[in-house]
Amino acid sequence: DTEVTQTPKHLVMGMTNKKSLKCEQHMGHRAMYWYKQKAKKPPELMFVYSYEKLSINESVPSRFSPECPNSSLLNLHLHALQPEDSALYLCASSQDHRGLQPQHFGDGTRLSIL
Amino acid sequence: QKEVEQNSGPLSVPEGAIASLNCTYSDRGSQSFFWYRQYSGKSPELIMFIYSNGDKEDGRFTAQLNKASQYVSLLIRDSQPSDSATYLCAVNGPSGGGADGLTFGKGTHLIIQP
Repeated sequence: DTEVTQTPKHLVMGMTNKKSLKCEQHMGHRAMYWYKQKAKKPPELMFVYSYEKLSINESVPSRFSPECPNSSLLNLHLHALQPEDSALYLCASSQDHRGLQPQHFGDGTRLSIL
Repeated sequence: QKEVEQNSGPLSVPEGAIASLNCTYSDRGSQSFFWYRQYSGKSPELIMFIYSNGDKEDGRFTAQLNKASQYVSLLIRDSQPSDSATYLCAVNGPSGGGADGLTFGKGTHLIIQP
């Protein structure tokens, strides 16, 4: 079990569906992150939020839309995804707003696009 | 563009021996260095982090950093079969004042032989 909670653990969706991934932490961390990990590859950074503001978007397609409603919660809204978007989506948080402190990962959401 | 290099392995080590994992990074301005362990199908788990040149020990794990050589290593003493996993080296910074994401190496697959 980790202190970063991600829901759902598994998600199967069609290419026309709209769904959201949720991430929650109650450690008082001020930076939160979304990563994408394909099989046998390392995690790749998608988005960084610092003090609830989007600070980094790594050229992610607009079919992925992040949202940070408050300091504990991070969402990733999904729309019109492609089969190649099937992957493990990881949320992480860190205490330091500069992101130099360790990042702690949730268990991830395994996403399958039909 | 930051790059982090690891030997993908597999690295096979007898039970009870020392496992030595290595990592090099390209950005001389990098400030923080992390080792994560990832079991198949699971999310990355933080093992060690190091900021200063030299060694840092935590139980059976020792992280070593040499900024002049841009080299980070992880030693695992008294290796156990449960240490069998993929070990990811990750680098962060300089942040430029805002939160930054991790750049991961491709990971080293470690196998501890009973």
